[in-house]
Amino acid sequence: EVQLVESGGGLVQPGGSLRLSCAASGFTFSHYWMNWVRQAPGKGLEWVANINQDGGEKYYVDSVKGRFTISRDNAKNSLYLQMNRLRADDTAVYFCARDASMVRGVITHWGQGTLVTVSS
Amino acid sequence: SLELTQPPSMSVSPGQTATITCSGDNLGVRYTCWYQQKPGQSPVLVIYQDSKRPSGIPERFSGSNFGDTATLTISGTQAMDEADYYCQAWDTSTEYYVFGTGTKVTVL
Repeated sequence: EVQLVESGGGLVQPGGSLRLSCAASGFTFSHYWMNWVRQAPGKGLEWVANINQDGGEKYYVDSVKGRFTISRDNAKNSLYLQMNRLRADDTAVYFCARDASMVRGVITHWGQGTLVTVSS
Repeated sequence: SLELTQPPSMSVSPGQTATITCSGDNLGVRYTCWYQQKPGQSPVLVIYQDSKRPSGIPERFSGSNFGDTATLTISGTQAMDEADYYCQAWDTSTEYYVFGTGTKVTVL
């Protein structure tokens, strides 16, 4: 069974940093594109970033470019999101999500999410 | 860049058909997915590549995509189908995964 378990969320002041982690199990982690998707309270889904199988390709939504960094450690079956210069509008539940096998652009599995609150 | 627009809400009676639209410039040339999200839960993929259902998704869920509009149809809607629904497409020009604005479906 595919499992994605996020951790690292919490309360942080504006301008601060936070590192999210996602522990993956139940599949061969190194074979899949991985994503971070966020959802602000009461709002819709927003794709944040993704990374290819070996970490050589990374893409980000414009609003986080230069502030967030996605990375992965295939030996540890883990995905990360380093978030710097956090702003109030970064407040959201952050989901770790896995792409489909052999198909780009489709997310087949989601974690339960971790809440990031940016507030003074 | 690609933007996907959905109606904010709709209501449907049990047993009737719910039709949810997703509009975007020339959307029909891209594959579209649909996700269901119930309160407090993570999204679940219900349609991918416009019209394919993942394993375990009931046959009452179907999809299409032509021109500027993708459509999710729920036939014989059940109370358990009450949820938020999001369309999503992959903008290959930017590599972005773009989500629609979401539609809240109420079954009453």
